[in-house]
Amino acid sequence: GAGVSQSPSNKVTEKGKDVELRCDPISGHTALYWYRQSLGQGLEFLIYFQGNSAPDKSGLPSDRFSAERTGGSVSTLTIQRTQQEDSAVYLCASSWDLNIQYFGAGTRLSVL
Amino acid sequence: AQSVTQPDIHITVSEGASLELRCNYSYGATPYLFWYVQSPGQGLQLLLKYFSGDTLVQGIKGFEAEFKRSQSSFNLRKPSVHWSDAAEYFCAVGGKEYGNKLVFGAGTILRVKS
Repeated sequence: GAGVSQSPSNKVTEKGKDVELRCDPISGHTALYWYRQSLGQGLEFLIYFQGNSAPDKSGLPSDRFSAERTGGSVSTLTIQRTQQEDSAVYLCASSWDLNIQYFGAGTRLSVL
Repeated sequence: AQSVTQPDIHITVSEGASLELRCNYSYGATPYLFWYVQSPGQGLQLLLKYFSGDTLVQGIKGFEAEFKRSQSSFNLRKPSVHWSDAAEYFCAVGGKEYGNKLVFGAGTILRVKS
């Protein structure tokens, strides 16, 4: 079966532009997570969706970051008015049991 | 604060030598513990996990890890390293005590010399 799919694999944008990053989780996985991997901060949790519950947004670094999950499947992470410090690899993971998370290959975002 | 410490940023070992990567966590009575590996340009691949029971767990690619509650440690080991093991290794903790999220260590980059 297919793993977690993320697109695009690379994104280059100009400072101030909005970007959307997509995650397609493993079929049947009810939980979906976004993490950010950057040189200075390592791997950080951003947001987590579980079924129909309200998402845990406690890791979002600012109100420029938002995410949604449509139909309990695909998720989009949106970053508005991108800044250079947003440059990082954004990793998505999914889980069926809230214990083991399976990761996608990530989207490398570069803000010029 | 909840944290995971991997004290070694880089480790270099010779091919065929044994390997131990250290990991300590700071919080939790019953943490779920994980080791992930990341090759350049790739996502994270789960090597092994510990939830409960036998404190010595076996994983993929010949790796094992031992949970020591008294030391709050979960060190990763491999008896004989292969050149293909060169990658970055991340220790993580999760479970209900961590809000079902993963908290990662800073990672250890493994270099293998022939």
